[in-house]
Amino acid sequence: GQNIDQPTEMTATEGAIVQINCTYQTSGFNGLFWYQQHAGEAPTFLSYNVLDGLEEKGRFSSFLSRSKGYSYLLLKELQMKDSASYLCAALDSNYQLIWGAGTKLIIKP
Amino acid sequence: DTAVSQTPKYLVTQMGNDKSIKCEQNLGHDTMYWYKQDSKKFLKIMFSYNNKELIINETVPNRFSPKSPDKAHLNLHINSLELGDSAVYFCASSQKGLAGGGFADTQYFGPGTRLTVL
Repeated sequence: GQNIDQPTEMTATEGAIVQINCTYQTSGFNGLFWYQQHAGEAPTFLSYNVLDGLEEKGRFSSFLSRSKGYSYLLLKELQMKDSASYLCAALDSNYQLIWGAGTKLIIKP
Repeated sequence: DTAVSQTPKYLVTQMGNDKSIKCEQNLGHDTMYWYKQDSKKFLKIMFSYNNKELIINETVPNRFSPKSPDKAHLNLHINSLELGDSAVYFCASSQKGLAGGGFADTQYFGPGTRLTVL
């Protein structure tokens, strides 16, 4: 079956760095997305990776290893507003998005 | 200016009623989706739809039906509402979606409709 695994919850300190991991098993692969969802709001797009390596976008970076079925989202210089759930989603061979359950990130002062 | 809009934002109703949630996107996207997010925050796909293909998640009861009057709209109709239907329902759209496109499959979400069944 198809599956996405990511930690349920993580805690980090304001100003620090945090890495949220995601592993996936899908029928085929056409890329991996990361979304951010603040409480009570809709998910919003953060990043898309389809090739191996690190994509940097400001304070956020996303990494992909297709051979390992692994991705991570790296958040630097954490701010209180980064407290949210981070959803990993993989695109399978039929271009269906397979969603993880999300990682709730708690930022402490 | 809203890219993906949904109405209503909140919906409170009695068990057994029939209700509809409307969704509109002004992005010119080909594919639209309906998701259910329950109290555990797990985002579950219900339907994927473009003008050529409707994909239904087999776990979705047939009380739920998508209706698309045109490419920019995908409404969700729910018959005989049950307590377990209480959740937040998100509409989303993507440029390519079922037609395939990688990055063009980036989905843009509406603000959500919080449905409470009493």
